[in-house]
Amino acid sequence: SQKIEQNSEALNIQEGKTATLTCNYTNYSPAYLQWYRQDPGRGPVFLLLIRENEKEKRKERLKVTFDTTLKQSLFHITASQPADSATYLCALDDGDSNYQLIWGAGTKLIIKP
Amino acid sequence: EPEVTQTPSHQVTQMGQEVILRCVPISNHLYFYWYRQILGQKVEFLVSFYNNEISEKSEIFDDQFSVERPDGSNFTLKIRSTKLEDSAMYFCASRENTGELFFGEGSRLTVL
Repeated sequence: SQKIEQNSEALNIQEGKTATLTCNYTNYSPAYLQWYRQDPGRGPVFLLLIRENEKEKRKERLKVTFDTTLKQSLFHITASQPADSATYLCALDDGDSNYQLIWGAGTKLIIKP
Repeated sequence: EPEVTQTPSHQVTQMGQEVILRCVPISNHLYFYWYRQILGQKVEFLVSFYNNEISEKSEIFDDQFSVERPDGSNFTLKIRSTKLEDSAMYFCASRENTGELFFGEGSRLTVL
């Protein structure tokens, strides 16, 4: 069956360090993968999209990699700040549908001052 | 900046009552979605809507659920007879042709 895994435990990072979050998937061949940020009680907010033919995408302090051989995406936040504390979700198109994204459960990131 | 708006932000209802959650997607978007998130759990797909009809729905989206786009702007989710387990945050989202989804702030539904 199709499956997406994100770090289930909360990730605690010291302010200023790089936070790295992992998204692994099985039994998919996604054309693209997306990362979203979700704050408590709020809707997810889009951060980055990376396509299957792209190895890396950057946006300010954010970097996403996509390894279709390993079936893994890594999401990095450099020079992390307490304001980066949130839950980060990865989502993939399921390869068959034009409409539906498959969502990971999210990783809670806590940046300590 | 354009945004997806949802009303109400919070609704409390008795089990068995009908609930309508409303959404105004971004005006030039073509694809519309409803998602559900039970407290502490993952975002779950309910239904997608394109070209004035349902394009996909999940197994959660049973006969108790329906969606409508009654005019050019609103997109509604109706739950005919609410159950306790329908208590959740309901998110509306929309997108153009690209993959990026724009979410509303959600409607919290509490069924007593």
